[in-house]
Amino acid sequence: DQQVKQNSPSLSVQEGRISILNCDYTNSMFDYFLWYKKYPAEGPTFLISISSIKDKNEDGRFTVFLNKSAKHLSLHIVPSQPGDSAVYFCAASAIGNQFYFGTGTSLTVIP
Amino acid sequence: DAGVIQSPRHEVTEMGQEVTLRCKPISGHDYLFWYRQTMMRGLELLIYFNNNVPIDDSGMPEDRFSAKMPNASFSTLKIQPSEPRDSAVYFCASSSTGLAVYNEQFFGPGTRLTVL
Repeated sequence: DQQVKQNSPSLSVQEGRISILNCDYTNSMFDYFLWYKKYPAEGPTFLISISSIKDKNEDGRFTVFLNKSAKHLSLHIVPSQPGDSAVYFCAASAIGNQFYFGTGTSLTVIP
Repeated sequence: DAGVIQSPRHEVTEMGQEVTLRCKPISGHDYLFWYRQTMMRGLELLIYFNNNVPIDDSGMPEDRFSAKMPNASFSTLKIQPSEPRDSAVYFCASSSTGLAVYNEQFFGPGTRLTVL
């Protein structure tokens, strides 16, 4: 039973434009969310996180937005660069429990 | 720091054979996690250890799967007997704090397992 869903398996964006990756969750107890980035043949690496006390967290070109009422978060990358091409996983957790990962969205940034 | 080390990187085996995946966590990390990545389910947590002790193995799919952590620098995930549906990428990750503290986990490069 998938508690974290990434309904878009792939996304293509032109270089310089904005990339928006979406993630939905079902468990209202989740209060911490992360995005991981994964290149081929490598393990996922941490990108950015947000706790439920915030609705936005920004780190350079990466911004994560959280809409608790809709149980939805999104990752914005602007401007997108070819090096951003990777698979992006969102993950969610509740206090004392494991992280639940989504199925990933493969982003391709076209030069 | 070498990061989390996993071996082998690729494993191809025949159905019914025993498979052993190995992991060396980052030195000083006291939590170790085993994940399985599939297209349908994304990254699934199989089991995690704290100070070499298994804490939660509810994600282990069935009795064919077992994991051990004999010391702070080594863990194994064993599948016996292996089946074609076990084909996936298996990741090991480590962290220096527990799940409740929300710190990032550092992942190894993964082992791509193919069971024919």
